[in-house]
Amino acid sequence: DSGVTQTPKHLITATGQRVTLRCSPRSGDLSVYWYQQSLDQGLQFLIQYYNGEERAKGNILERFSAQQFPDLHSELNLSSLELGDSALYFCASSGAGPDTQYFGPGTRLTVL
Amino acid sequence: GENVEQHPSTLSVQEGDSAVIKCTYSDSASNYFPWYKQELGKRPQLIIDIRSNVGEKKDQRIAVTLNKTAKHFSLHITETQPEDSAVYFCAARVSGGGADGLTFGKGTHLIIQP
Repeated sequence: DSGVTQTPKHLITATGQRVTLRCSPRSGDLSVYWYQQSLDQGLQFLIQYYNGEERAKGNILERFSAQQFPDLHSELNLSSLELGDSALYFCASSGAGPDTQYFGPGTRLTVL
Repeated sequence: GENVEQHPSTLSVQEGDSAVIKCTYSDSASNYFPWYKQELGKRPQLIIDIRSNVGEKKDQRIAVTLNKTAKHFSLHITETQPEDSAVYFCAARVSGGGADGLTFGKGTHLIIQP
């Protein structure tokens, strides 16, 4: 157990809908990262937040957004969902040793 | 941006033999190189990492080597065991730079044959 938690574990929804994925970092970690894992694209970095502020952006679509709250938990919002958004979404956190990222269990999103 | 290539995509070895997985990266500014192990349906788990000021690092049966000049790094697993079967990912990152996300290779499916 990495200490990073994610909810929900599974999410099934329809095209065009909007969903919110939640992540709680390890105690004391200030950075949260979001990654998407799919069969064709592999593991891709989406976005990073550090202590409430957006720090870096990767291959995140404009339909996706994220935020980090004062209690350091983060939410990833996915809107106007398409079939191709079906994937595993992981969050990771890092702390005092900023390099080491610990991954949560992931949320499996299925868009029908 | 950074690009990480990983080979092979599948590796089958006999139990007890060694396994080597190789990665190359494109951004010479990258200075942090972790390796993750992912079992089916589970989270990526960090197994070892190396920073660019070090050429080699070892942890029991696992070792990582880094060649900065050639921009490649490798994972070595000795005395492989059935529980080593998993998908292994290499990654690279520019530590301390503005883009702090990891760039991953496509993964290597390691199969340990009994």
